Amino acid sequence: EAQVTQNPRYLITVTGKKLTVTCSQNMNHEYMSWYRQDPGLGLRQIYYSMNVEVTDKGDVPEGYKVSRKEKRNFPLILESPSPNQTSLYFCASSLSEGLAGSEQFFGPGTRLTVL
Amino acid sequence: DAKTTQPPSMDCAEGRAANLPCNHSTISGNEYVYWYRQIHSQGPQYIIHGLKNNETNEMASLIITEDRKSSTLILPHATLRDTAVYYCIVRASGSARQLTFGSGTQLTVLP
Repeated sequence: EAQVTQNPRYLITVTGKKLTVTCSQNMNHEYMSWYRQDPGLGLRQIYYSMNVEVTDKGDVPEGYKVSRKEKRNFPLILESPSPNQTSLYFCASSLSEGLAGSEQFFGPGTRLTVL
Repeated sequence: DAKTTQPPSMDCAEGRAANLPCNHSTISGNEYVYWYRQIHSQGPQYIIHGLKNNETNEMASLIITEDRKSSTLILPHATLRDTAVYYCIVRASGSARQLTFGSGTQLTVLP
């Protein structure tokens, strides 16, 4: 089944404790991205990757890191989480942003709470 | 990417067609109209997209006006499971940046 998976789905952590949220897709998609969703602010892009070893900042990259060593995986790293990073996080992938009308597939979400 | 305007909420009776409008008066020639929906805190789900012709798939139909300044998403026979927030997004082909999700329309399908 074609899908985007995220782990963990729920995480409660404390300020400053490094964490990684994994994202994996099995569709051989080139493009992957991370969003966060907060009440009243909608979905905002954190980082995106056009292909392996190619990443770029979205609208809210501060406090986050990403890497794209393999095509299928795009982990989101919080080196020193803070309470303002408490949010619902979504990973998404699509075949290619160069193609007309490329549909994005979203993962199920990771609900992160930083105390 | 062009800004879109959608009503904040709509109700629809189960089994009836749900018609969700979207205004995108500043759309430019290379921008597509996309529709996604999000069922309570789940990941957004792609529904349909189009450039200027009307489109239909197994989920919905998309009607784009001739001047492309507005569109309507039609769910032909709404079910309770169609209750969700529906997002209309306008985005240029080849744009590497995000899908800009606005506030969307909360569609509630009533039994």
